[in-house]
Amino acid sequence: DVVLTQTPPTLSATIGQSVSISCRSSQSLLHSNGNTYLNWLLQRPGQPPQLLIYLVSRLESGVPNRFSGSGSGTDFTLKISGVEAEDLGVYYCVQSTHAPNTFGAGTKLELK
Amino acid sequence: EVLLQQSGAELVRPGSSVKISCKASGYTFTDYYMHWVKQRPEQGLVWIGRINPANGNTVYAEKFKSKATLTADKSSNTAYMQLSSLTSEDTATYFCTTGPYWGQGVMVTVSS
Repeated sequence: DVVLTQTPPTLSATIGQSVSISCRSSQSLLHSNGNTYLNWLLQRPGQPPQLLIYLVSRLESGVPNRFSGSGSGTDFTLKISGVEAEDLGVYYCVQSTHAPNTFGAGTKLELK
Repeated sequence: EVLLQQSGAELVRPGSSVKISCKASGYTFTDYYMHWVKQRPEQGLVWIGRINPANGNTVYAEKFKSKATLTADKSSNTAYMQLSSLTSEDTATYFCTTGPYWGQGVMVTVSS
């Protein structure tokens, strides 16, 4: 199975600070069809996960544009440009290029 | 509005089975795979498998092949997951998701 390694496991930020989360894959996530199926999710406390970014860098409808995704192959990054209070929670990367789908272990974003 | 409405919390005995549901509305049920995800208390997300509601084809993660059975009823736009031979390791919240959309989760507690 593909292993997704997220760093850091915990991130402390102040409101307005920009932060980045890394997701590294044990193998390339480039599919033979040319797409890279790497998404980012946010799970707020007591809530189901919410899709933020799909196909590495595409912003899901309704998601603020302070969220952005980048990367290719095995290295991917989620950036939040100006953290807001509603952004606190656990962020997960998830891949569906290779079966079975796998998730990173999560990065908890806390207020400093 | 897309909605995935899951059934209520379950308290079940070790060794028994449970069947939880996920009723979809607001989109064409047969157009998207339905995935199921497990989250143990204070833990990360684990992909169980997926079903194609159009034809019933399923794909399971290896560790869930003898644990979970996924089905879908096109007449009622409802996906189901049955979990068998339950142990304390199965105590978790189970989510259905199409990718962008997630159910609210079902808490299954296995206890005597």
